[in-house]
Amino acid sequence: DAKTTQPPSMDCAEGRAANLPCNHSTISGNEYVYWYRQIHSQGPQYIIHGLKNNETNEMASLIITEDRKSSTLILPHATLRDTAVYYCIVRRNTGGFKTIFGAGTRLFVKA
Amino acid sequence: GAVVSQHPSWVICKSGTSVKIECRSLDFQATTMFWYRQFPKQSLMLMATSNEGSKATYEQGVEKDKFLINHASLTLSTLTVTSAHPEDSSFYICSASRTGGGEKLFFGSGTQLSVL
Repeated sequence: DAKTTQPPSMDCAEGRAANLPCNHSTISGNEYVYWYRQIHSQGPQYIIHGLKNNETNEMASLIITEDRKSSTLILPHATLRDTAVYYCIVRRNTGGFKTIFGAGTRLFVKA
Repeated sequence: GAVVSQHPSWVICKSGTSVKIECRSLDFQATTMFWYRQFPKQSLMLMATSNEGSKATYEQGVEKDKFLINHASLTLSTLTVTSAHPEDSSFYICSASRTGGGEKLFFGSGTQLSVL
């Protein structure tokens, strides 16, 4: 699976948009970009995923560059409950393939 | 949405005893389940891939005789930490993907193991 690079930590003011970048320059054509987050002492929670088009759901938006070498997760109106570690992962879209976690970005949302 | 149930949430045991952790997919069938461990302030580390009806595949450096995995049905995988020692104390997390639709990986809530 391709490796991802994320900043170790970021701050965001409550109510503002949080933009979390991820580099995945070695992504292959059949690999998707997934985002998960982990709140302290809980299992990771799925946020969103995409192949090449931008995606939006009730939690977030995912912007993938045209060359697919990087992406940005956008939390449009961050709340204190969004404080968590956010993991960007690239993997094939098949259940049997391993999901390898990098270090992630620790997002602190401040009041 | 799909739910993965992990039990117990936390367990304290004496050194030398064995501990079993269960991972169940509640509303879907999971051909493949994954087991992770996580130390404080670190990322999740994949331990093994659990395949229903066959032997688990372990990642490099993970002792298969130490961490026994059984995936006897499409909804249940178990991880047994045998002869646990204090260095096995960790947060263990399972995950599962829906059979035939592997888009999302669903995670259990984790098990905090403390070995005294």
